[in-house]
Parts: sequence; structure tokens; C-alpha cells
Amino acid sequence: DAGVIQSPRHEVTEMGQEVTLRCKPISGHDYLFWYRQTMMRGLELLIYFNNNVPIDDSGMPEDRFSAKMPNASFSTLKIQPSEPRDSAVYFCASSLFGQGLNTEAFFGQGTRLTVV
Amino acid sequence: LAKTTQPISMDSYEGQEVNITCSHNNIATNDYITWYQQFPSQGPRFIIQGYKTKVTNEVASLFIPADRKSSTLSLPRVSLSDTAVYYCLVGDMLYNQGGKLIFGQGTELSVKP
Repeated sequence: DAGVIQSPRHEVTEMGQEVTLRCKPISGHDYLFWYRQTMMRGLELLIYFNNNVPIDDSGMPEDRFSAKMPNASFSTLKIQPSEPRDSAVYFCASSLFGQGLNTEAFFGQGTRLTVV
Repeated sequence: LAKTTQPISMDSYEGQEVNITCSHNNIATNDYITWYQQFPSQGPRFIIQGYKTKVTNEVASLFIPADRKSSTLSLPRVSLSDTAVYYCLVGDMLYNQGGKLIFGQGTELSVKP
């Protein structure tokens, strides 16, 4: 498996524009996570899904953020409208939990978002 | 979810053993202890996980005392490539909380030649 695949790797957009980040989890994994990382706030969990169903979105900062998982192999994180303070690295991760020890999450390479 | 406390940064030299301790006083019975490593411009990567006593793999060892209120990640003979941020996570990996991976501030390890 190629691992968790995120696209794009880099995104530069103007304030007010809609941004869509994409993630393809590892095949067979039943959990998918979206994180945001900044120097100030560290690595924040935004939302996670189990079997394509959102379980906890309490980390989503505002209504401008939304995430979907239409099927087991694809998820999107959308920001509309984007603001400069949304600039960060966004990571997607997937995992297969409940299988005993060494239940690890696999992270993608991240999308570096810059909103100007 | 149990809160974790780690040193913000540590320095070491190549070839030394590095021990990073994490405090988790409120750890629950079902909680496991997991460590991740993150290099610059990359996502975190799983290192090791344990419940009690000692766990060892090809990368590191994890020491957990009987009261489980702390844990120590041990990296033997570090090299420059071990320079990274190390995160300690505590959570119920098998049941309802299994999905909620919360990262703290981590420990920034700097290995010098």
C-alpha cells in the first residue's frame, strides 16, 4: 500500500476563497483523522471518522470548516471562506483500531496551506 | 482522556542513550501509552506502545512502572537522524476512545555531533 495520500501537498490561496483538501486512507482502515499543525497550537485533532461516519468534530474551529467521507477510500476537508489564520499544515491519518496492541495511526505527508 | 506532561526540549550527543519521561497521573485502567516521532515537514510516525512493564522493539524501549503514572521512552545510541519531536499519548485503544488520538506539546530532541 502507498500509505495515506494527501493532495495537494501545497496550496496557496487568497483570503475568502474556498479550499478543499483531499485524503485517501490506507485500504481497510476503519478510522480517519484530520489534524491541523501550527507553531502556536501544535498538532490539533479537528475531526475523526469511524467507518465513514463522523464521530467527534469538536475540534473543528468554526462553521467555515467542514469534512466529509463519502466512502471508505476518500475524505475531504473544506474551508469556506478561508482566512489567513487558517494557514497551517493539515494532516490526514488512518488506522485500524480495536485489534490489540500496536494499534497505530498512519499519517500522510500533509498539505501546507497558505492563505494570503 | 489522561493529560500528559513531557519536557519541552532535550539535547543529546551522538551515541548516547536518551530517556524521555512522560507524566500521566490520571491514566485510566483501559488506557495504553503510545509514543510517536515527528520529523520536520512530515507527519508523526508510530514508535512504540505499551500497557505496563517494559516493551522493546527495533527502534526503542518503553518502560512503565507499576503505578503507570509515568512512562519513559528510551532511545539507545542516538544518531543525528533521531533529531525530531517525540509525543507521548495516553488513551483507550480498544474501546470507545480508541479513535481519539490527542497529541500534547511533545519533546523536541536535538542530537548533536
